[in-house]
This record gives sequence, C-alpha cells and structure tokens, in this order.
Amino acid sequence: GEDVEQSLFLSVREGDSSVINCTYTDSSSTYLYWYKQEPGAGLQLLTYIFSNMDMKQDQRLTVLLNKKDKHLSLRIADTQTGDSAIYFCANLDNAGNMLTFGGGTRLMVKP
Amino acid sequence: DTEVTQTPKHLVMGMTNKKSLKCEQHMGHRAMYWYKQKAKKPPELMFVYSYEKLSINESVPSRFSPECPNSSLLNLHLHALQPEDSALYLCASSQKQGEQFFGPGTRLTVL
Repeated sequence: GEDVEQSLFLSVREGDSSVINCTYTDSSSTYLYWYKQEPGAGLQLLTYIFSNMDMKQDQRLTVLLNKKDKHLSLRIADTQTGDSAIYFCANLDNAGNMLTFGGGTRLMVKP
Repeated sequence: DTEVTQTPKHLVMGMTNKKSLKCEQHMGHRAMYWYKQKAKKPPELMFVYSYEKLSINESVPSRFSPECPNSSLLNLHLHALQPEDSALYLCASSQKQGEQFFGPGTRLTVL
C-alpha cells in the first residue's frame, strides 16, 4: 500500500523554530494535512496544503511541499512548550475518502 | 457547531459484554469514519460511511459493527472483544472531499 513516513522524535528549545518532515509515496495525493495530538486527546487539524501549491503560511505555521520529491514539511516558528505533542502528516487519496497517516513525530519543547 | 462529539469518554468491558460507542456531528458532513489508535501509533481506518454507503477495512474483525442511523450519527457496536482490542477509538467527519475533523476519542479497555 501507499506509505507516509516521518522521523520519530524532535527536541527543540522554547523560542526556536521546529521543522517536522514527512515523505510519501502516493503521487496522486490531492491534499496533505498536518494534525496535532496531545496526550489522551483526539487529533486536531492544524493546517493543510493542496497538491498544486508549494507553500502555505498560517500564523506561526509554514507548510512546504516538494511534489517532485514527495516531501512535506511543517515549520513552527517561535516554538512554545504548548506545542509539545505528536504531529502526524497525512495524505488524502484521489477518491477523497482515505487518509493515510505517517507514524507521527513526537515534538518535545524544552523551556 | 464545529465539533465532533464522542461518548463515552472511557469504557471498560469484559470479553463477553456488548457495548456501543457513539459519535455525533452537526456540521452537515456526509462522510463519517471510525479509526482505531494503539499507543504511539497512527490511527488506522476501520470504517467509512460516505453518503450512507459503507466501506470497510477488510482486516477489521466482525466483532466490530458500524451503524449509521442518520447522517449526523455514527455508532460502533462491540461484541465479544479481545484484550488486544483495547485502544483509543476515534470518530471523524468530513465533507465529501476535504479535511477530516476528529472527535476526542473513546478510550476502550477490554479485560
């Protein structure tokens, strides 16, 4: 099946920028998403990008998409301790129903 | 109302019990989903109801059965579960092709 991969862990200091990376194999992906999950909670949609875009900025979040390399990244500027969570990237299939998730990246923000 | 609600928040059941998980949304979304999430893993899709049509992940055992009484409600009926079914069960909803909004989940423990 199609794969979405992420690194497992990222640690940054408060105030620094965080960059979480994701690679995927499905070249027919229409939308790509970033979700945040705090301990014991559901998934919170952070942002998304349409596959014909290469960048999207939303306040402290910047999404970059390199469609040729099938590489997606999420940059969080001025990272805060409240940003500590697991971040999942996901792509939406061509039919518009199936989300395939990466394994999640645990972001730890040190004061 | 931009929420997906799930009840109960926590459920403990024995292997001979029958129970149901409930999910509700009032965003007018016509697709609803059940996911299973084990600790430190991404969500795995179990079922999709899209315009009242059911799609099943064929690896899901028959002891899980979904029911969609109307376009706002989605239930998951549980019968004769096993301890390995203990997990966080997440419900989500979306427009036909678009971002999925997740509920907070039901933490299920099977004894």
